[in-house]
Amino acid sequence: GQNIDQPTEMTATEGAIVQINCTYQTSGFNGLFWYQQHAGEAPTFLSYNVLDGLEEKGRFSSFLSRSKGYSYLLLKELQMKDSASYLCAVMDSNYQLIWGAGTKLIIKP
Amino acid sequence: SQTIHQWPATLVQPVGSPLSLECTVEGTSNPNLYWYRQAAGRGLQLLFYSVGIGQISSEVPQNLSASRPQDRQFILSSKKLLLSDSGFYLCAWSSLDRVETGELFFGEGSRLTVL
Repeated sequence: GQNIDQPTEMTATEGAIVQINCTYQTSGFNGLFWYQQHAGEAPTFLSYNVLDGLEEKGRFSSFLSRSKGYSYLLLKELQMKDSASYLCAVMDSNYQLIWGAGTKLIIKP
Repeated sequence: SQTIHQWPATLVQPVGSPLSLECTVEGTSNPNLYWYRQAAGRGLQLLFYSVGIGQISSEVPQNLSASRPQDRQFILSSKKLLLSDSGFYLCAWSSLDRVETGELFFGEGSRLTVL
């Protein structure tokens, strides 16, 4: 079966750095995506990785290792507004997105 | 610019009642359209997707159905709701030209509570 695993909840301090991990087992691989979802709202696209390595976009970076079936989302200089759920999703060989359950990130002052 | 809207935002329905959620996209043509359900503590579950008018693919057998009467309109329906249909429903679109990048644009969501 296809599976995406990420921690259920994480807590971090404002101004700090946090890394949210995602491991996956899917039928084929056509890219890995991170979305941000604030409570009660729709997800919004953050990043897309299809090749191994680090993609940096401002305070957010996403890393992929296809051989390990592993990705992480790195958030720097955390702000209170970063409190949200972060969803990891993998596009399989049929170009269908398989979603993780999301990691709820709580930022404390 | 492209926009997507879905409604209603919130609804409370009794078991056995019908359901209709609507979604429209503006500013693009020939979008891929999707209906997802998000249950608490679980990943987004793809319910239906459509690549064109009248073309609907169902991912999960259930008492829900979808229709695409116009290019930019996607409707989720049920004749008789079950308790298990409660959840947060999300409509989304992606560009036909960028399907391989997987970037989805979501509507505001509809929270359904079946009592």
